[in-house]
Amino acid sequence: RKEVEQDPGPFNVPEGATVAFNCTYSNSASQSFFWYRQDCRKEPKLLMSVYSSGNEDGRFTAQLNRASQYISLLIRDSKLSDSATYLCVAGGGYQLIWGAGTKLIIKP
Amino acid sequence: ETGVTQTPRHLVMGMTNKKSLKCEQHLGHNAMYWYKQSAKKPLELMFVYSLEERVENNSVPSRFSPECPNSSHLFLHLHTLQPEDSALYLCASSQEWLALSSYNEQFFGPGTRLTVL
Repeated sequence: RKEVEQDPGPFNVPEGATVAFNCTYSNSASQSFFWYRQDCRKEPKLLMSVYSSGNEDGRFTAQLNRASQYISLLIRDSKLSDSATYLCVAGGGYQLIWGAGTKLIIKP
Repeated sequence: ETGVTQTPRHLVMGMTNKKSLKCEQHLGHNAMYWYKQSAKKPLELMFVYSLEERVENNSVPSRFSPECPNSSHLFLHLHTLQPEDSALYLCASSQEWLALSSYNEQFFGPGTRLTVL
């Protein structure tokens, strides 16, 4: 079983739509959670951390469900520039475990 | 120059060659990392250095040899690689290593795309 599992996609979404990604993690001891964004042929960059109570940053909302061990990312009013691969990350024990990413394509 | 830089950006080498990848961070961070990213696979942590001491070595073959001469520089020495080692090698840094269990952002360099023939 993969330690951090994501749907690889691609998700093809029209501009302006709302899109949601889920990610599951296997290590119940994980303590910190993140969403990173990686553009094609570029390095990953932090999009947002995921807090226990859920958090929002503009059009982006992240949620954590510890009981079910999953993390979600919601993007509202999607823009063409949101096209990228979104990487889910779970941390604990001095190491980050990365998902393989979900590819998002926003179409005009 | 700011952030995390890596050289070279692209490298093609034969299986008998010796080459080195270089990473430099200008952020004043205390921890540096080497990751391997293969197509459609998760990032694989290879090595972690904290305050110039290696603190993690994730069962990486000895044909990969890291070196951290100071807190700003990290090298990955490559020797007798295999074609399956072809991948994107990413360097990253963070303020601290021990704080990974809390919200400690990692900053990545642009990576070196390595092809082993």
